[in-house]
Amino acid sequence: DQQVKQNSPSLSVQEGRISILNCDYTNSMFDYFLWYKKYPAEGPTFLISISSIKDKNEDGRFTVFLNKSAKHLSLHIVPSQPGDSAVYFCAASALWNYGGSQGNLIFGKGTKLSVKP
Amino acid sequence: GAGVSQSPSNKVTEKGKDVELRCDPISGHTALYWYRQRLGQGLEFLIYFQGNSAPDKSGLPSDRFSAERTGESVSTLTIQRTQQEDSAVYLCASSHNQGSETQYFGPGTRLLVL
Repeated sequence: DQQVKQNSPSLSVQEGRISILNCDYTNSMFDYFLWYKKYPAEGPTFLISISSIKDKNEDGRFTVFLNKSAKHLSLHIVPSQPGDSAVYFCAASALWNYGGSQGNLIFGKGTKLSVKP
Repeated sequence: GAGVSQSPSNKVTEKGKDVELRCDPISGHTALYWYRQRLGQGLEFLIYFQGNSAPDKSGLPSDRFSAERTGESVSTLTIQRTQQEDSAVYLCASSHNQGSETQYFGPGTRLLVL
């Protein structure tokens, strides 16, 4: 039973356009959400995060939106660049709801983003 | 500064053999996590260590898997009597403390059990 779901295994976007990656979760105890980017043969790299007390966090070209009522978050990349081509993982933890003792991350299966020049 | 390092980067072994994977966390990081990623799957939590507290072993898939950590430094993940379904990328991550939001990952060890 997947607690974090990324229903799109792949996404193709033209350079300069917006990339929107989606993630759904089922566990209402999750209070912290992260996006990681992964290139082949490398470990995941932290991209951006959001806590459940916010609904938006922005860092340069990357914005994460959180809709708690829908248990849905999304990552927007604008403008998309060819170097953004990678697998993007959504991850969640019940970081604060268990007093910091549930810091292990629950990952989705990832979405492979291809940005075409 | 140096990131999380893991060794070996690749390991091919025969079914039934034991393997040992190593992780060097970022200096000063008290929390250390092991995950694995099987082909086509997301990352799967295995175990985590926080300082000198008892590790959270809730993600270990069987008693063939064990891990140790010396203080707040190196950790080793041992898989005994490897099976073909153990083939995966084993990833280690560390964070400043268990309440720290961001985990930093190493490059992983690619294990192939023949």
